[in-house]
Amino acid sequence: QVQVVQSGAEVKKPGASVTVSCKASGYTFTDYYIHWIRQAPGQGLEWMGRINPKSGNTFYANTFHDRVTVTRDTSLSTVYMELRGLRSDDTAVYYCARNLTPEGLYFLDSWGQGSLVTVSS
Amino acid sequence: QLTQSPSFLSPSVGDRVTITCRASQDIRNYLAWYQQKPGKAPKLLIYSASALQGGVPSRFSGSGSGTEFTLTISSLQPEDVATYYCQQPTTYPLTFGGGTKVEIK
Repeated sequence: QVQVVQSGAEVKKPGASVTVSCKASGYTFTDYYIHWIRQAPGQGLEWMGRINPKSGNTFYANTFHDRVTVTRDTSLSTVYMELRGLRSDDTAVYYCARNLTPEGLYFLDSWGQGSLVTVSS
Repeated sequence: QLTQSPSFLSPSVGDRVTITCRASQDIRNYLAWYQQKPGKAPKLLIYSASALQGGVPSRFSGSGSGTEFTLTISSLQPEDVATYYCQQPTTYPLTFGGGTKVEIK
């Protein structure tokens, strides 16, 4: 069955960078887009960006455009999200999620368990 | 932009629950609903406004098109305590509604 497993919690200082990984299994990795979404404590869901694992093509929300990079390693069926210049308001749970279908609309059907990133001096 | 209402509900077990999501522009039937239980990742319930995702109980249903959409729980169960979000899947950035928290009275 489809599984998406993320890396563990991180604690970072302001100004640092963090990389969260997302390992997929149970399907052909290159066939489905992977998205990144974050959720600050007690808040709603915020979409950050997505990657096409086949081509490596990415698209980011303007809010994060200069600070986020999403990459993939097809040999490991893993996607990575790097966020730079961390601030206290980047403290959140970061989720990766797979697209429901190989093409078409961006419905998100398989989510990782979430990775808590805490930014604190 | 997606606007959900209400932001909080406190029905009783067995009640019919309705949550509304309004879009700022016509999004046809391109809308999803997610359920998020405390401390867990969101779970896809409904896509394309009314298509039930596999494994989701039939008491959940979705309807609507254009700018107004509805998620209905026909008979609320204790395990349905969660926050529910709508999401539009077509325009970057993908956006979610603000959420509706459902608790049992």
